Amino acid sequence: KAGVTQTPRYLIKTRGQQVTLSCSPISGHRSVSWYQQTPGQGLQFLFEYFSETQRNKGNFPGRFSGRQFSNSRSEMNVSTLELGDSALYLCASSGRNEQFFGPGTRLTVL
Amino acid sequence: AQSVSQHNHHVILSEAASLELGCNYSYGGTVNLFWYVQYPGQHLQLLLKYFSGDPLVKGIKGFEAEFIKSKFSFNLRKPSVHWSDAAEYFCAVGASYNTDKLIFGTGTRLQVFP
Repeated sequence: KAGVTQTPRYLIKTRGQQVTLSCSPISGHRSVSWYQQTPGQGLQFLFEYFSETQRNKGNFPGRFSGRQFSNSRSEMNVSTLELGDSALYLCASSGRNEQFFGPGTRLTVL
Repeated sequence: AQSVSQHNHHVILSEAASLELGCNYSYGGTVNLFWYVQYPGQHLQLLLKYFSGDPLVKGIKGFEAEFIKSKFSFNLRKPSVHWSDAAEYFCAVGASYNTDKLIFGTGTRLQVFP
């Protein structure tokens, strides 16, 4: 069974731009969660989608948004990028009360 | 407020030494508890989890953790570490009714020397 895949793996953007990250969950998993990982803050929950609906949301500004498609693939979007948005963005899909994490997308904002 | 505290940010051990990583949480209601490990350059992977029942849970690679409800703690242990255990370890908590939103600690980096 293929694991969680995330694209792209690396991304460099400049302040003010917007970015879209993609996540494909494990086949059969309907829940996708997103986390931001930084050295100072660790892993912080962004949001979770289940059957195309946002079910949980963390404490991030409205510049961070997401969506889920009917095939459970999910995207997250960050608009008006700031330097502090540089981080590893992790996606996880859930099955059997366990989250399975992808390799992450490393976003660098210059 | 919901939070997870990992007391040790960086632990250095010699091979064969015993390991204990502390984790305390603050969370209203019944919880599920997890330890994840992130080896250099690899994905986060689950070491072990506690949902209910026996508070001593065993995970992969010889790791175990004990849930002490009265202390809001879920410490990770291994009797004898190997150089391959060098990694970053994360404790996480989630509501028992929904494990799709996890609160993570800031992580403990473990270094193991021969």
